[in-house]
Amino acid sequence: GQQLNQSPQSMFIQEGEDVSMNCTSSSIFNTWLWYKQDPGEGPVLLIALYKAGELTSNGRLTAQFGITRKDSFLNISASIPSDVGIYFCAGSYNTGKLIFGQGTTLQVKP
Amino acid sequence: NAGVTQTPKFQVLKTGQSMTLQCAQDMNHEYMSWYRQDPGMGLRLIHYSVGAGITDQGEVPNGYNVSRSTTEDFPLRLLSAAPSQTSVYFCASSSPGGGGGNEQFFGPGTRLTVL
Repeated sequence: GQQLNQSPQSMFIQEGEDVSMNCTSSSIFNTWLWYKQDPGEGPVLLIALYKAGELTSNGRLTAQFGITRKDSFLNISASIPSDVGIYFCAGSYNTGKLIFGQGTTLQVKP
Repeated sequence: NAGVTQTPKFQVLKTGQSMTLQCAQDMNHEYMSWYRQDPGMGLRLIHYSVGAGITDQGEVPNGYNVSRSTTEDFPLRLLSAAPSQTSVYFCASSSPGGGGGNEQFFGPGTRLTVL
């Protein structure tokens, strides 16, 4: 099946640092989404992107839909301890079926 | 609103046993999906539904059955459990108006172990 390559697999950073992660695909998507999963919980939608080149922010989070439609990135500015979790990218052809990346595990040291 | 609810939260089965994972949503969403999450593999789509009476296979459907008789409920059935089905199962729902069904709301998950 189709796969998304998400990197890095894990990050261990100091509180206050900025974080960047990205997702690439071998084929194009019409929609890119970013989810966060806290331990023991289901994923929660952070940002949805619907147009190539689109740059969208949600508080300290900023995500972009790559111009080629084959990639997306997520930035977190000034990280805080509650940013800890697993971040997933997901791509879609607007059929309601999502294809997820493997996830980036973020740990923040106070 | 309770959102998406899943029961049970934890389950241990023996190989060959059958069981049904329950999923319900109270948001009147037309789309519902089942995913499994395994370490290092993200979430993989098992089955999905775009409305009552309509279901389709996802990426990893083998060993699982679904039906959708109401808008609210979308149960997942394991007919003969195998150790390879040990995983965390998530149900999700969305509305076509929510980004074409892409903006999915997830339940808290069911952690299944098959011995």
